[in-house]
Amino acid sequence: SQTIHQWPATLVQPVGSPLSLECTVEGTSNPNLYWYRQAAGRGLQLLFYSVGIGQISSEVPQNLSASRPQDRQFILSSKKLLLSDSGFYLCAWSITGSVNSPLHFGNGTRLTVT
Amino acid sequence: GEDVEQSLFLSVREGDSSVINCTYTDSSSTYLYWYKQEPGAGLQLLTYIFSNMDMKQDQRLTVLLNKKDKHLSLRIADTQTGDSAIYFCADPHTGRRALTFGSGTRLQVQP
Repeated sequence: SQTIHQWPATLVQPVGSPLSLECTVEGTSNPNLYWYRQAAGRGLQLLFYSVGIGQISSEVPQNLSASRPQDRQFILSSKKLLLSDSGFYLCAWSITGSVNSPLHFGNGTRLTVT
Repeated sequence: GEDVEQSLFLSVREGDSSVINCTYTDSSSTYLYWYKQEPGAGLQLLTYIFSNMDMKQDQRLTVLLNKKDKHLSLRIADTQTGDSAIYFCADPHTGRRALTFGSGTRLQVQP
């Protein structure tokens, strides 16, 4: 069966520090991968998606970047965090080739920028 | 308006039925989804309905789809305190790369 792992679960970082959040998927090949941010426990904002290694699309301009160095690894990064980067970050995967397929989420990372 | 809209909050008593409503704009969706998010956790796929169905029942969950009005609902029978969570409906909006989520409905179940 497929599983998705996200870490760390919680993170407190000072303003101006770098960020690296990692997500890996097991049990499937060539998944679509996604990073979402959820502010204040409410709606989800799609940040990045990837349909393959090295292929990253950004949905909104921001202080963050994403990379996919391996088929089932998705990394969210920042060189210098802002206070506004605080939030709950969720990684998700879906089967490739269909926008109709459901997303499967990791347990999320709670990021607090101080 | 938003592509997927939900009411923000619903409070029910334990044992009652809960009905969470959702409206969407994209009529070409093949599937529509309901997700559940417990505090501090990721979203869990709860159920889905195929667009050519009007109703789907899965144990205590009933999904109703009115394609004419673009209205989706989730009914939870015999609501328990463990059902307290945020519920999201999601629609694979045409032209988007991923599901479009509503803002979520917070269900509070009072004992």
